Amino acid sequence: DVKVTQSSRYLVKRTGEKVFLECVQDMDHENMFWYRQDPGLGLRLIYFSYDVKMKEKGDIPEGYSVSREKKERFSLILESASTNQTSMYLCASSLFSSGGVEQYFGPGTRLTVT
Amino acid sequence: AQTVTQSQPEMSVQEAETVTLSCTYDTSESDYYLFWYKQPPSRQMILVIRQEAYKQQNATENRFSVNFQKAAKSFSLKISDSQLGDAAMYFCAYYNAGGTSYGKLTFGQGTILTVHP
Repeated sequence: DVKVTQSSRYLVKRTGEKVFLECVQDMDHENMFWYRQDPGLGLRLIYFSYDVKMKEKGDIPEGYSVSREKKERFSLILESASTNQTSMYLCASSLFSSGGVEQYFGPGTRLTVT
Repeated sequence: AQTVTQSQPEMSVQEAETVTLSCTYDTSESDYYLFWYKQPPSRQMILVIRQEAYKQQNATENRFSVNFQKAAKSFSLKISDSQLGDAAMYFCAYYNAGGTSYGKLTFGQGTILTVHP
């Protein structure tokens, strides 16, 4: 089974702190994604990566950056956390193919910024 | 840009009954996939069912089936013989298989399903 793990289930940070959320997948997937999930808004794509060191902005990249130094690991960075970044963050991975795509999700990190 | 709309924020069903969750989408593409994902209270999202746009036949997976109406751009999920374990948030998602989408999905807002014993 594909396994996607995230470094923390719950995280509490102060405004202005630098925050790192880490995601690791064990199936050699090329594509990795970071979403945030908010009530009534569904999942919104922050950033994605289709290869090591390659990254693309999603729909809501402002205030975030990412890093992918190794294929299995994709990090989301909040350079200076703000209260409006309080949310559930979900990581996912998938194979790069023309069809039959399926994303595999991690358990999520509930981030609270105070 | 593609959009996915789930107009039912919450739905409820009695155990053993049938419930249908609605999803509509907007796209000008012809080659795409549609998905239903389930997110139980423990939060790990899992794939429930997948439909390829070029297939006429509606997908089924055990108690889960879809009603795919391509012209109407509608993709509803039917859960038969509902079980307590079906209680979850359900997301409809769209994937554009043409071009360089890199596996990106567009998600709807989600529908919370409650199952009453």
